Amino acid sequence: AQKITQTQPGMFVQEKEAVTLDCTYDTSDQSYGLFWYKQPSSGEMIFLIYQGSYDEQNATEGRYSLNFQKARKSANLVISASQLGDSAMYFCAMREPVYLTPQGGSEKLVFGKGTKLTVNP
Amino acid sequence: DAEITQSPRHKITETGRQVTLACHQTWNHNNMFWYRQDLGHGLRLIHYSYGVQDTNKGEVSDGYSVSRSNTEDLPLTLESAASSQTSVYFCASSVIAGPNTDTQYFGPGTRLTVL
Repeated sequence: AQKITQTQPGMFVQEKEAVTLDCTYDTSDQSYGLFWYKQPSSGEMIFLIYQGSYDEQNATEGRYSLNFQKARKSANLVISASQLGDSAMYFCAMREPVYLTPQGGSEKLVFGKGTKLTVNP
Repeated sequence: DAEITQSPRHKITETGRQVTLACHQTWNHNNMFWYRQDLGHGLRLIHYSYGVQDTNKGEVSDGYSVSRSNTEDLPLTLESAASSQTSVYFCASSVIAGPNTDTQYFGPGTRLTVL
């Protein structure tokens, strides 16, 4: 069974500083994907970044980077130069191995419980 | 622009009533998903579909049903609403087209209150 653990219910950071949000996962599969989503107070789920289990380099998307440590089964999100607009809930998620269906490809996500990030001015 | 929409955005109903939440996407994605979000639980998968006429149960499927008659829509039905089903419901869609292209994109959510 897969499991995603986010151990930080809440985090605080000063504007313009970097912050790391922790995520550990548990799987026996060799092929999997890791995602981070942002949920602002308005409620929508916004995709931030993706890391595949076979990707050798850490994923980066603008101010977001994913610190992927496969042996430790961790996929921490690093936000550089925090902005007030980064205040939100952040969810880590893992995708089961993709397998083919008659219609194409398939996958499911398992989510962690989230970390609430507050950026202080 | 292609998008994924949910309706209604807010719904209040009474215990025992049947409720249907709509999800519509215009990306032509094969995969569609329904999640519920509750405090302390994150997002949990209710039902999912990998294509027309395909439906599968997720982690918390009891009391819910879905049907997929076309690519664009996956309505979620609560057969007999219960107070425990008060939650925020998210629909998502995705397509597998190669490495790093299977990201799930979410609708805006429906806040359901069962009194």
